Amino acid sequence: DTGVSQDPRHKITKRGQNVTFRCDPISEHNRLYWYRQTLGQGPEFLTYFQNEAQLEKSRLLSDRFSAERPKGSFSTLEIQRTEQGDSAMYLCASSPPPTQYFGPGTRLTVL
Amino acid sequence: AQSVTQLDSQVPVFEEAPVELRCNYSSSVSVYLFWYVQYPNQGLQLLLKYLSGSTLVESINGFEAEFNKSQTSFHLRKPSVHISDTAEYFCAVSDWGGGSQGNLIFGKGTKLSVKP
Repeated sequence: DTGVSQDPRHKITKRGQNVTFRCDPISEHNRLYWYRQTLGQGPEFLTYFQNEAQLEKSRLLSDRFSAERPKGSFSTLEIQRTEQGDSAMYLCASSPPPTQYFGPGTRLTVL
Repeated sequence: AQSVTQLDSQVPVFEEAPVELRCNYSSSVSVYLFWYVQYPNQGLQLLLKYLSGSTLVESINGFEAEFNKSQTSFHLRKPSVHISDTAEYFCAVSDWGGGSQGNLIFGKGTKLSVKP
């Protein structure tokens, strides 16, 4: 059990650029969740997968956000045309429900 | 809808003193409760959880929390804190089961600052 990993740990980008984050869950966990955490707040749920199926999309913040989990293994979260308001920590968690285990997060800064 | 309230945004305490971080939740269904700890620029680490059974749960580093259904609370306590306990603590609730999504609803966090 190597834990949940996320890459990159930090990303600095300019407004309008696209960014993609990767999450590798604990191998035997079939559920994977994405959250966003802004300064001074608790994490906010974005979307989740059961194996390769994305079962909830409506909580993604806008149509600029999308996520995939091909083959039910790693997952990617993409933000298109980034805005300064997208600056936050993006967290991934994998789960044998109801418990969730989090990765180290990706800190996004949009200039 | 579920919600979590952490009543204190910051808690300063001296080393070796006891501490209590308060958490109240609201939910119309049975819940599972969690405490996570976050160190600066890191992800969340699971500290302890209540799933069922004994209402008092403990962590390996001396923290404990008690599930109180009548008061809808899950307060976190430690009898003697260390400098290394300085971090932000998040209470979370899940209603997983019966077709729910199982996502966590978090409070806004409590920053514990342990002073020498």
